[in-house]
Amino acid sequence: QVQLKESGPGLVQPSRTLSLTCTVSGFSLTSYGVSWVRQPPGKGLEWIAAIWSGGSTDYNSALKSRLSISRDTSKSQVLLKMNSLQTEDTAMYFCARWRLGHFDYWGQGVMVTVSS
Amino acid sequence: DVVLTQTPVSLSVTLGDQASISCRSSQSLEYSDGYTYLEWYLQKPGQSPQLLIYEVSNRFSGVPDRFIGSGSGTDFTLKISRVEPEDLGVYYCFQATHDPLTFGSGTKLEIK
Repeated sequence: QVQLKESGPGLVQPSRTLSLTCTVSGFSLTSYGVSWVRQPPGKGLEWIAAIWSGGSTDYNSALKSRLSISRDTSKSQVLLKMNSLQTEDTAMYFCARWRLGHFDYWGQGVMVTVSS
Repeated sequence: DVVLTQTPVSLSVTLGDQASISCRSSQSLEYSDGYTYLEWYLQKPGQSPQLLIYEVSNRFSGVPDRFIGSGSGTDFTLKISRVEPEDLGVYYCFQATHDPLTFGSGTKLEIK
């Protein structure tokens, strides 16, 4: 069955770089896109970045200068890197599968806290 | 960026009654291919969001027919008839027509 699982460091110091991994199963990254979506505590959802089935990428324009999304198809993983972290980047980070214009499956999320 | 304005911010509904949520877009969400990429997601407490409706009015697999999406252009509505206890949570509209993709600010549904 389709599954997505996020993993990451949990706690990151301000100004450092965050690296998150989304490991998928039940589908191929060359057939479906994957996006990252985040949610600060008690707040709404924000789309961050996407890597499409063909390998092209898109980023939230407000965060673009700090983001990099890539994939390792041999490991069925999508990688997100965000640099120059600030406390406002504290959030739950979700990855989700993209199919024909919508997110049909989501991971459980990984909480990232930016603090010294 | 496209701004999606959801109203109301919160909604308290009696079990069995109908709930209605509005989502207004700052731009038309009809794409050049003729489709309108407006979706509705529900985030239940402590859970990841789940897809309810895609392309304005298509229910995702397993979604009860109590959930009805409608609208066009810039105005969209999600109606939940016969609200049940498992419907509580925060509802988000989302657009995938314009880059960057954007979510509405959410509507919290509570059960009276």
